[in-house]
Amino acid sequence: AQTVTQSQPEMSVQEAETVTLSCTYDTSENNYYLFWYKQPPSRQMILVIRQEAYKQQNATENRFSVNFQKAAKSFSLKISDSQLGDTAMYFCAFMKLVGGGATNKLIFGTGTLLAVQP
Amino acid sequence: DSGVTQTPKHLITATGQRVTLRCSPRSGDLSVYWYQQSLDQGLQFLIQYYNGEERAKGNILERFSAQQFPDLHSELNLSSLELGDSALYFCASSPVRWGDTEAFFGQGTRLTVV
Repeated sequence: AQTVTQSQPEMSVQEAETVTLSCTYDTSENNYYLFWYKQPPSRQMILVIRQEAYKQQNATENRFSVNFQKAAKSFSLKISDSQLGDTAMYFCAFMKLVGGGATNKLIFGTGTLLAVQP
Repeated sequence: DSGVTQTPKHLITATGQRVTLRCSPRSGDLSVYWYQQSLDQGLQFLIQYYNGEERAKGNILERFSAQQFPDLHSELNLSSLELGDSALYFCASSPVRWGDTEAFFGQGTRLTVV
């Protein structure tokens, strides 16, 4: 069974600075996807970034980037130029790749509550 | 707006009661997932339906059941409710295209059992 671990329950960062959230996972699968989801106070789950395990290049989306270390089973999220609107709970998630084109369930970590301070 | 609609947004009910949560997926999405978010268990996968059929089951209690209808909307039925069932219940939908892995989440139904 796959597990996802986020060891930082809470983090704080000053506006405009950079912060890195950690995530490790355990799996025997070779083909999978990793995600970071953001949950602001509105409760909506918003996809921040995704990484395909077969791709060596780290994914980036504007101010968000990941450091994917497949051998170490590590998947950290870097937020640059932090903004007040980045304040949210961040969840790391794992999805096993399945055949037939259908997506699969997400396995979530316990989350990191990020507070961006003005 | 993710395109996934969940109703109701809030629900308060008493122990022992039964409730039904409804989810309308994004147009064209065949897969529907239900997740439970609670303080002690975090975000947990409950069940997946694909084009009307149950595809995968997670940590779903026997008191809970779900179904997906021909129009692809889904309902999660929770019965004999206990205080510990209080949680945020999310529905998510996803397309079927290969490599299209994003799951789109609804805004959730906040269930409070008193």
